[in-house]
Amino acid sequence: DQQVKQNSPSLSVQEGRISILNCDYTNSMFDYFLWYKKYPAEGPTFLISISSIKDKNEDGRFTVFLNKSAKHLSLHIVPSQPGDSAVYFCAASGFTGTASKLTFGTGTRLQVTL
Amino acid sequence: NAGVTQTPKFQVLKTGQSMTLQCAQDMNHNSMYWYRQDPGMGLRLIYYSASEGTTDKGEVPNGYNVSRLNKREFSLRLESAAPSQTSVYFCATPNPSSYTQYFGPGTRLTVL
Repeated sequence: DQQVKQNSPSLSVQEGRISILNCDYTNSMFDYFLWYKKYPAEGPTFLISISSIKDKNEDGRFTVFLNKSAKHLSLHIVPSQPGDSAVYFCAASGFTGTASKLTFGTGTRLQVTL
Repeated sequence: NAGVTQTPKFQVLKTGQSMTLQCAQDMNHNSMYWYRQDPGMGLRLIYYSASEGTTDKGEVPNGYNVSRLNKREFSLRLESAAPSQTSVYFCATPNPSSYTQYFGPGTRLTVL
């Protein structure tokens, strides 16, 4: 039962263009959403997040959009740069009673070409 | 200030062997987590510890045990390794004032 889904395993975008990564979730109890970026042989690093009470959060070239009615969020990267080439994980947060827990999607590998 | 450290970086085991993966954090956080990452599966929670002295099962705990040795250290033990446990293992600790988790560099484990 995959509660957080990233249906595109890979995405290729030209440098300077917009990259759009998508994520869908099924659990309406999730109250916070995050995007992580992962380079090979490194741990995931936090990129940007959004609370369920908002529909947009922006940080420099990165913007996350949340559509609660559709249970869908997306990450926009504008303009895309070669250094953005990495695997991007969407994650959703819920509270267990003892600690917050993140449920991760399967990841999308972004390649930014010259 | 190293953040989250993990040892070893790589390990090859034979089926049935045991080993312990070590994790330490210098952020003075209460909670610590162990995940495994497999191709096409994302990161899945194995065990977590909300505070020193407590541990709880995550999504995929079978075949693993954990010890929260003190506030800094959280170890993951494979008592009898199986090929299905071939994976990359990540330790993480959450920022207590947000939902952000900080990850270690990972341990790549191969079980033959």
